[in-house]
Amino acid sequence: NAGVTQTPKFQVLKTGQSMTLQCAQDMNHNSMYWYRQDPGMGLRLIYYSASEGTTDKGEVPNGYNVSRLNKREFSLRLESAAPSQTSVYFCASSNGLAGLQETQYFGPGTRLLVL
Amino acid sequence: GDSVTQMEGPVTLSEEAFLTINCTYTATGYPSLFWYVQYPGEGLQLLLKATKADDKGSNKGFEATYRKETTSFHLEKGSVQVSDSAVYFCALSEGGGADGLTFGKGTHLIIQP
Repeated sequence: NAGVTQTPKFQVLKTGQSMTLQCAQDMNHNSMYWYRQDPGMGLRLIYYSASEGTTDKGEVPNGYNVSRLNKREFSLRLESAAPSQTSVYFCASSNGLAGLQETQYFGPGTRLLVL
Repeated sequence: GDSVTQMEGPVTLSEEAFLTINCTYTATGYPSLFWYVQYPGEGLQLLLKATKADDKGSNKGFEATYRKETTSFHLEKGSVQVSDSAVYFCALSEGGGADGLTFGKGTHLIIQP
């Protein structure tokens, strides 16, 4: 049981390049999330997927797209990377049962540097 | 909108000292409250949570009580260890289980031997 896994662990991009961050969970969770972590800012929600087939914007969605490929996988895409997207990206998952405040489980993170 | 305010660090303590990290929140409804911990180079792990007023969450010697009257969820530990050095995040969830968490900015705790 690996929990939440993310690839890659670290990536360097040039401004304007594109890339996809991958996330998978093996806990049969319904909901998945992408956050970014910046110094002094805590974690901010980029996008989430309450269930397979649905996605919604979070607090800071601009410059990103997501795909909920199946129940296990939730990817985050940067179409044209900008230096402001330099950050550590965390994927998380939860049962997402309506009416319950479920614990979210986090992956180890992807450190992205945009030059 | 929802928000979480917590004391920013770094907070430096000696081993065996008493720890308090303050956390207050603003929410429109009745949120659940969480403390997550992040050790260097790792993702976040749930430390404890409370889902309704007056609930006390506890784990690994840490405790926090959900105080609706003061909208607070302060984290405490009676005797800290060097291994408790980490970043601690207070967070809330109001979305019925599927929405994202709202985090505070994090408190960097350093325990010196």
